[in-house]
Amino acid sequence: SQQGEEDPQALSIQEGENATMNCSYKTSINNLQWYRQNSGRGLVHLILIRSNEREKHSGRLRVTLDTSKKSSSLLITASRAADTASYFCATVSPTGIIFGKGTRLHILP
Amino acid sequence: EAQVTQNPRYLITVTGKKLTVTCSQNMNHEYMSWYRQDPGLGLRQIYYSMNVEVTDKGDVPEGYKVSRKEKRNFPLILESPSPNQTSLYFCASRRTLGGEETQYFGPGTRLLVL
Repeated sequence: SQQGEEDPQALSIQEGENATMNCSYKTSINNLQWYRQNSGRGLVHLILIRSNEREKHSGRLRVTLDTSKKSSSLLITASRAADTASYFCATVSPTGIIFGKGTRLHILP
Repeated sequence: EAQVTQNPRYLITVTGKKLTVTCSQNMNHEYMSWYRQDPGLGLRQIYYSMNVEVTDKGDVPEGYKVSRKEKRNFPLILESPSPNQTSLYFCASRRTLGGEETQYFGPGTRLLVL
């Protein structure tokens, strides 16, 4: 089955820096969503971008979507220690919801 | 409070001993699903349900069963667990499939099969 692929698999940055994670997918989508997961816990929805949107903001989060390249990026600005988590993209299509393998983000103090 | 609950949260069992992980949501959602999460493999969907009495296989259904007799409950059944089913399991629900609704996840069930 098609699956989103996040890149990089792991990312360590200093607190205050910006973190960028990418997601590529294979099928046509209705929308793409980003989720966050703290270690061993359930996923929490962060932001949704529709297939006809190119960019969306929510607080320190900025998501872009390029449907021609079938890719999306999540930017977290001014990172904080509390942002340490895994981040997953999920593509939503009429046939289902597919999650990527995630990017593990570690914010260094 | 809107939530998805799972029980138990942690379970250690032995090969072949049938077990059930319960999942319940209080949001009147139609769509529910089960995922397993393994290191390096991300979340893989086991089964999903579009509505009461409507279930279908996900990507990794082997060794699992589900039922959807009521809208709020979607139990995951392992008839004869094996060590390769040791994993972290998540139940999730959303109002419908394909729309803009977000998916709500339960807290997870960590299963160890010896």
